[in-house]
Amino acid sequence: DVKVTQSSRYLVKRTGEKVFLECVQDMDHENMFWYRQDPGLGLRLIYFSYDVKMKEKGDIPEGYSVSREKKERFSLILESASTNQTSMYLCASSLRSWTEQFFGPGTRLTVL
Amino acid sequence: SQQGEEDPQALSIQEGENATMNCSYKTSINNLQWYRQNSGRGLVHLILIRSNEREKHSGRLRVTLDTSKKSSSLLITASRAADTASYFCATDDMRFGAGTRLTVKP
Repeated sequence: DVKVTQSSRYLVKRTGEKVFLECVQDMDHENMFWYRQDPGLGLRLIYFSYDVKMKEKGDIPEGYSVSREKKERFSLILESASTNQTSMYLCASSLRSWTEQFFGPGTRLTVL
Repeated sequence: SQQGEEDPQALSIQEGENATMNCSYKTSINNLQWYRQNSGRGLVHLILIRSNEREKHSGRLRVTLDTSKKSSSLLITASRAADTASYFCATDDMRFGAGTRLTVKP
């Protein structure tokens, strides 16, 4: 079974802190994705990557950056956390961009 | 911008009843996927339907696709309390809608 793991289930940070969210998948998938999920807004795509060191902006990339140095790992970085980045963050991977996505359990980030 | 838009936003039914959720999208697609999310967890893939398919079944799930209307529906038959979850559709550019929250009462 494909497994996607995220570094933390819950995270509390202060405004202005630099935050790293890590995601690791174990099935050699080419594609990895970061979403945020907010009540009433569904999942919104922040960034995705279709190969090592490659990244593409999603619909809401402002305030975020990503890093993919190894195929199995995709990191989401909040350079200077703000309260409006309080959200559930979901990582996913897929073999191809249009195929089934496998999701991690999510990280609930609270920025105070 | 989001491709898939689910309808209704929320649905409450009794155990044993059927549940139907709809998804509309804006541009042409190659395939459409449905996912389920249990409370506070990651999403789980349910079914993928290709643009040249009109209907697909998986256990108690039935998905239809009407490309002329740019819409899809997910039918869950003989619902169970364990089906209580949020259901999302996703187009092949991996955009999701806001989901339908299904509650199945025992």
